[in-house]
Amino acid sequence: SQQGEEDPQALSIQEGENATMNCSYKTSINNLQWYRQNSGRGLVHLILIRSNEREKHSGRLRVTLDTSKKSSSLLITASRAADTASYFCATGLMDSSYKLIFGSGTRLLVRP
Amino acid sequence: DTAVSQTPKYLVTQMGNDKSIKCEQNLGHDTMYWYKQDSKKFLKIMFSYNNKELIINETVPNRFSPKSPDKAHLNLHINSLELGDSAVYFCASSQRAGGSGSSYEQYFGPGTRLTVT
Repeated sequence: SQQGEEDPQALSIQEGENATMNCSYKTSINNLQWYRQNSGRGLVHLILIRSNEREKHSGRLRVTLDTSKKSSSLLITASRAADTASYFCATGLMDSSYKLIFGSGTRLLVRP
Repeated sequence: DTAVSQTPKYLVTQMGNDKSIKCEQNLGHDTMYWYKQDSKKFLKIMFSYNNKELIINETVPNRFSPKSPDKAHLNLHINSLELGDSAVYFCASSQRAGGSGSSYEQYFGPGTRLTVT
């Protein structure tokens, strides 16, 4: 079954606004990662947050992790049209498999 | 310089045929993966190899057979193609840490769009 569920499934905002996407998961994790996928392209790694971290920043990206609620959020500040893409969370499990389980993704549209 | 490359980018074939997709990475990573992304963008792990050894083998029909001739290459061969195999297949690579329980960021190829008619 799917480990990560993302919310919302789709998000449409105006350029300059902030975009927030949420991810919930079911089992214990070692880390959680966020990826971006532009239409027709492969996934690109954005940021990794470990289970003992609560918040992480990278440029205009801010990721939070709440292991007690088994949830994470990705905030993109001051969005640009080029941020239009699908965003996926992926959980690294607490086992030796090194497996990543991907969420269902959020489609973000940033209108110019 | 392409980090993870896949060939072909598009593959259109008829049911019952056998086809292969090739993947190469020049990042020096020791672990490679195959994922299947369906029409709803749901991405699912199929296989993973670490230093040419199979470490992840999800519930995938045995018509799918991965082969890793060396740690920079991971190919996917599919026998007796079916309509339901139509999807985008992504190859990815990562560097596996020493010890257990620590997955690292993965680098994805551009994908191979397989259409079975």
